[in-house]
Amino acid sequence: NAGVTQTPKFRVLKTGQSMTLLCAQDMNHEYMYWYRQDPGMGLRLIHYSVGEGTTAKGEVPDGYNVSRLKKQNFLLGLESAAPSQTSVYFCASKNRGSDTQYFGPGTRLTVL
Amino acid sequence: DQQVKQNSPSLSVQEGRISILNCDYTNSMFDYFLWYKKYPAEGPTFLISISSIKDKNEDGRFTVFLNKSAKHLSLHIVPSQPGDSAVYFCAASFIPRGSEKLVFGKGTKLTVNP
Repeated sequence: NAGVTQTPKFRVLKTGQSMTLLCAQDMNHEYMYWYRQDPGMGLRLIHYSVGEGTTAKGEVPDGYNVSRLKKQNFLLGLESAAPSQTSVYFCASKNRGSDTQYFGPGTRLTVL
Repeated sequence: DQQVKQNSPSLSVQEGRISILNCDYTNSMFDYFLWYKKYPAEGPTFLISISSIKDKNEDGRFTVFLNKSAKHLSLHIVPSQPGDSAVYFCAASFIPRGSEKLVFGKGTKLTVNP
């Protein structure tokens, strides 16, 4: 099992460009999450999904969109990147009824 | 408003000594607490958890203590090893168990010196 994987690992964007981060999990988990980690801010929830075809806003959703077309994939989109979105992005997944989330290795995004 | 607080951004201890990482919470609806460990350039990994019906949970060198009346939990690492150097996040889950979201603290960076 690969667990939770994230693509790409690194990316540099210019302000105004768009991109999509891909998260994939092979554990058949129902729930999937996108977090961002910034220095001194801990892990902040951007969006999450409790099942295929469903999404919900987290703590810091502005500037991001998500889609969960397949159970194993959760996509995070930035339509018009801003320097404030420079961060490390983590995807996570978990089973329904469990509290333990499993994290991917992260994507380091820099917006110039 | 921070519901889960880790007031010490960093902690430095000597190898072989005890490391104590602290976490405070404000919401009495939290039912389950988890500690995650994060190495640089890696994702957080689950370390240990405790249910609100317990006051202690132990796993090898790691023990988590929960004081519900004080809304405080702590992670003890004994003995500390250089490989324990990482950022530790405290997280809390709402009643009922298996709720949708975790609430994370900002993390404490532990450095264990040889």
